[in-house]
Amino acid sequence: AQSVTQLGSHVSVSEGALVLLRCNYSSSVPPYLFWYVQYPNQGLQLLLKYTTGATLVKGINGFEAEFKKSETSFHLTKPSAHMSDAAEYFCAVSAINDMRFGAGTRLTVKP
Amino acid sequence: DTGVSQNPRHKITKRGQNVTFRCDPISEHNRLYWYRQTLGQGPEFLTYFQNEAQLEKSRLLSDRFSAERPKGSFSTLEIQRTEQGDSAMYLCASKGPLEYGYTFGSGTRLTVV
Repeated sequence: AQSVTQLGSHVSVSEGALVLLRCNYSSSVPPYLFWYVQYPNQGLQLLLKYTTGATLVKGINGFEAEFKKSETSFHLTKPSAHMSDAAEYFCAVSAINDMRFGAGTRLTVKP
Repeated sequence: DTGVSQNPRHKITKRGQNVTFRCDPISEHNRLYWYRQTLGQGPEFLTYFQNEAQLEKSRLLSDRFSAERPKGSFSTLEIQRTEQGDSAMYLCASKGPLEYGYTFGSGTRLTVV
């Protein structure tokens, strides 16, 4: 079975500070990994994905994530937080027939 | 608009009533998924279709829930005899045959009072 665990249900950073949202996965096969962002009362928007190839993946809005097989991790980072980054972030792994999500991390950005 | 469309956006219903939600996926996407999201949680898989065939159902999908995709295009999710525990955001997503990620709609928020 494939699953993801997001470490930290709530992360708070100051505007301009580094954003680091943690995700660890469990998979019996090479995983496809994703990060989605959700704004209040909205659906999920794809930030970035890892399928194969380069382990450092760049996404929209300045976010990137690095696939580390040895650590079974896929952490999301952004060098400088912006107020508009405040949202809920979900890590996900693609299983055979569906996608499994973590519980989410709420990012708060302080001015 | 070529995104995934869900209607209605919000639904308030009395306990015991039946409700039906609709999802219109991206037209060339052959796979359609339904997820449920409760407050403070990630989306939980309910069911998915490949074209018109419903290929998998989660054990979360009790007998009161039924989903259809009659012509392999739009899909409906019906909940019969709603309970307060059914209150959640119901998300629809679609995926094309050559894609990895899903495209999500904005969801239908159900409140059972």
